[in-house]
Amino acid sequence: AQKITQTQPGMFVQEKEAVTLDCTYDTSDPSYGLFWYKQPSSGEMIFLIYQGSYDQQNATEGRYSLNFQKARKSANLVISASQLGDSAMYFCAMSLNNAGNNRKLIWGLGTSLAVNP
Amino acid sequence: ETGVTQSPTHLIKTRGQQVTLRCSSQSGHNTVSWYQQALGQGPQFIFQYYREEENGRGNFPPRFSGLQFPNYSSELNVNALELDDSALYLCASSRFRDARPLHFGNGTRLTVT
Repeated sequence: AQKITQTQPGMFVQEKEAVTLDCTYDTSDPSYGLFWYKQPSSGEMIFLIYQGSYDQQNATEGRYSLNFQKARKSANLVISASQLGDSAMYFCAMSLNNAGNNRKLIWGLGTSLAVNP
Repeated sequence: ETGVTQSPTHLIKTRGQQVTLRCSSQSGHNTVSWYQQALGQGPQFIFQYYREEENGRGNFPPRFSGLQFPNYSSELNVNALELDDSALYLCASSRFRDARPLHFGNGTRLTVT
């Protein structure tokens, strides 16, 4: 079954420190994409970073990097130099290249990150 | 370039009523997907529209229906509202066959009493 697992319901980090948010996935499809989104309390879903299953290098976007370990089926998000504005829910999601190009996303339950001053 | 816009932002309805939520896709995007996010949960895929036709559906009953218009904007209709339909409804747009990330609107928060 296709599934995303985020095992950390809540995380705390000190401002300016780095934090890793865990994500493991399960799929038998060889072609898939992994995404991280940030959702502040306002509700908007903000794209952070993407990793394709065939990408050789780990994705990076500014302070965000994705630690992609294909054999372990993990795609952890690393946020460096945390800022107070990083406090939000973080969701890991997976897309599959299934029939009809119906590119639905499968989501984890999210991790609530609190950045302490 | 305009982003994805959803309306209304908040809505309160009574059980049994019907509701229509609206979404304008980002410029250049021809595919719209709808997601339901219950409180404390990740989003759940409802359906996707491409070229004005449903192009895939999640595990939602037929009382959840949609439309896509020639300008790629979309509506989500929910009939016979139930209390469990209370959620944040997110719309996302993309280009068909494009693996790049979905762009989401700010969502419509629906409360059913």
